[in-house]
Amino acid sequence: LAKTTQPISMDSYEGQEVNITCSHNNIATNDYITWYQQFPSQGPRFIIQGYKTKVTNEVASLFIPADRKSSTLSLPRVSLSDTAVYYCLVGDSVMMNRDDKIIFGKGTRLHILP
Amino acid sequence: GAGVSQSPSNKVTEKGKDVELRCDPISGHTALYWYRQSLGQGLEFLIYFQGNSAPDKSGLPSDRFSAERTGGSVSTLTIQRTQQEDSAVYLCASSLTTGTSSPYEQYFGPGTRLTVT
Repeated sequence: LAKTTQPISMDSYEGQEVNITCSHNNIATNDYITWYQQFPSQGPRFIIQGYKTKVTNEVASLFIPADRKSSTLSLPRVSLSDTAVYYCLVGDSVMMNRDDKIIFGKGTRLHILP
Repeated sequence: GAGVSQSPSNKVTEKGKDVELRCDPISGHTALYWYRQSLGQGLEFLIYFQGNSAPDKSGLPSDRFSAERTGGSVSTLTIQRTQQEDSAVYLCASSLTTGTSSPYEQYFGPGTRLTVT
């Protein structure tokens, strides 16, 4: 299972674009990259998932370079309500057949300032 | 229901008692996951079900923990002889696993906050 590394915490201001980078040097050919958001006292919420290049949805964009050894979650024009913990995960659709465990890690604590 | 539900939302129990936590996944989701999250920490993966079977139980913290799933739907996580270190939020998630769907697209319930006194 590919290990991921992300910053422990980040601060930004309302209205700014925030980019959180995740390193996954050992990503496998079949692995997808998935990001979750977790607010205090809630379960994580799926944000975005991608395999290569760029994926965009109504919440965020995910940039994945050609070597796929890292990925960047981009949150446009953040607001105070984007203050949360963001987790990066890497894995594939047959992961469970290999009895791998899912590792969320401690994520990145994003704090948006007014 | 539209989402994953868990019950109870809060549980306070005395050390040494058994507790049972329940998870109702999204209808049609074949995969179900249990996690534990201690205060200020990341999620600790406990166990995963594909249908009614759990391929790997080694994530369970001790033999006091067990989980089952029946009918490919509801799952229960049982903790016997609870200890204070079992205090945490227990989260359940489900996902629709097909050949084209990553198991990481999970949908989480609100969690059960367990406090062992």
